[in-house]
Amino acid sequence: AQKITQTQPGMFVQEKEAVTLDCTYDTSDPSYGLFWYKQPSSGEMIFLIYQGSYDQQNATEGRYSLNFQKARKSANLVISASQLGDSAMYFCAIGIAGGTSYGKLTFGQGTILTVHP
Amino acid sequence: EPEVTQTPSHQVTQMGQEVILRCVPISNHLYFYWYRQILGQKVEFLVSFYNNEISEKSEIFDDQFSVERPDGSNFTLKIRSTKLEDSAMYFCARTTGGGASDTQYFGPGTRLTVL
Repeated sequence: AQKITQTQPGMFVQEKEAVTLDCTYDTSDPSYGLFWYKQPSSGEMIFLIYQGSYDQQNATEGRYSLNFQKARKSANLVISASQLGDSAMYFCAIGIAGGTSYGKLTFGQGTILTVHP
Repeated sequence: EPEVTQTPSHQVTQMGQEVILRCVPISNHLYFYWYRQILGQKVEFLVSFYNNEISEKSEIFDDQFSVERPDGSNFTLKIRSTKLEDSAMYFCARTTGGGASDTQYFGPGTRLTVL
């Protein structure tokens, strides 16, 4: 079974500063994907960034980057130059495939990020 | 990539009633998923659906739940006899592939309230 742990229930950051949201994972599958989603107060789930287990480089998407440390089983999300619109819940998730599994996602508990002006 | 749409956006029902939640995907999507999120909690996998069959389901997905694609396009989640604890946001997600690297794009969700 897979497990995602997000140990920060809430984080605060000043506008324009960078913030790191922690995520550790546990899986016995050698092939997996790590995903981050943003959930604003409106409720939708917005895909942010993906990292594959075999990727050699850390993923980046605009202001989002993923600090992937495979040996430590961590996949922290870094948001640079925070904006007020970044205030939301952030979920880390792991996806596996193989056997009878077709990529189901297992989510962490989430981190609420608040950006202060 | 465009997301799926879900209807209704909010449904209120009485305990014991049947509800049908709908997901309208783009025609070339092959893999579909239902997730639920109880208020304030994490998102939980319910079921995955590929080639018009259930490919995997969680322990949450008991006999009260069923999924189907009745007309080859809409993808439905049915809860036969709702309970108070079924109150949650239900998300449909889709991907063009069922691999670990395939990103799942979520619909806007249906908020189900059971009274």
